[in-house]
Amino acid sequence: GESVGLHLPTLSVQEGDNSIINCAYSNSASDYFIWYKQESGKGPQFIIDIRSNMDKRQGQRVTVLLNKTVKHLSLQIAATQPGDSAVYFCAEVAAGNMLTFGGGTRLMVKP
Amino acid sequence: EPEVTQTPSHQVTQMGQEVILRCVPISNHLYFYWYRQILGQKVEFLVSFYNNEISEKSEIFDDQFSVERPDGSNFTLKIRSTKLEDSAMYFCASTGQTPSTDTQYFGPGTRLTVL
Repeated sequence: GESVGLHLPTLSVQEGDNSIINCAYSNSASDYFIWYKQESGKGPQFIIDIRSNMDKRQGQRVTVLLNKTVKHLSLQIAATQPGDSAVYFCAEVAAGNMLTFGGGTRLMVKP
Repeated sequence: EPEVTQTPSHQVTQMGQEVILRCVPISNHLYFYWYRQILGQKVEFLVSFYNNEISEKSEIFDDQFSVERPDGSNFTLKIRSTKLEDSAMYFCASTGQTPSTDTQYFGPGTRLTVL
């Protein structure tokens, strides 16, 4: 079946380093993707999104890259800070308007 | 900044009891959603709601579940007869005019514990 999934369940980085979180998707019809950050005990928080007509989109310290050829999505966080520690989910808008979430990657930032 | 709010933050109930989880979506949003997250697992879609009716629902959303928009601001999820496996975080979300391209904003969640 079609799904959204993540390569790495846990990523540990040093404060100040850049982080890269990856996501693979298999639904070639998906045209909208979102990265969410979820801190312990809280709801998913929107970070950045990208549409399929783009390869790259930048926000404040975050960049999302979309490679449609290999159906791969990544989230880059520059100068990672302790406050970035959380679980990061990619999600795609499936048929209709529901979100399909990936399994999540836990980012741990070491001071 | 407008946000989605949910009440209560934590609900404890006995198996077989009915629970109602409440959400206030962002005021000018038109599409509303419920998701759930079992501890340690990914977020799963339950149902979407638009124009006072369900637009999509997942396999999880069986006859025990129902949703309602009782007034102009609240959006509720009712579980008629709770089961142990209903224990999870329940998140409400809303989005604006074009759900296929508009971001869904999530509330802080209600933790449901079924004993």
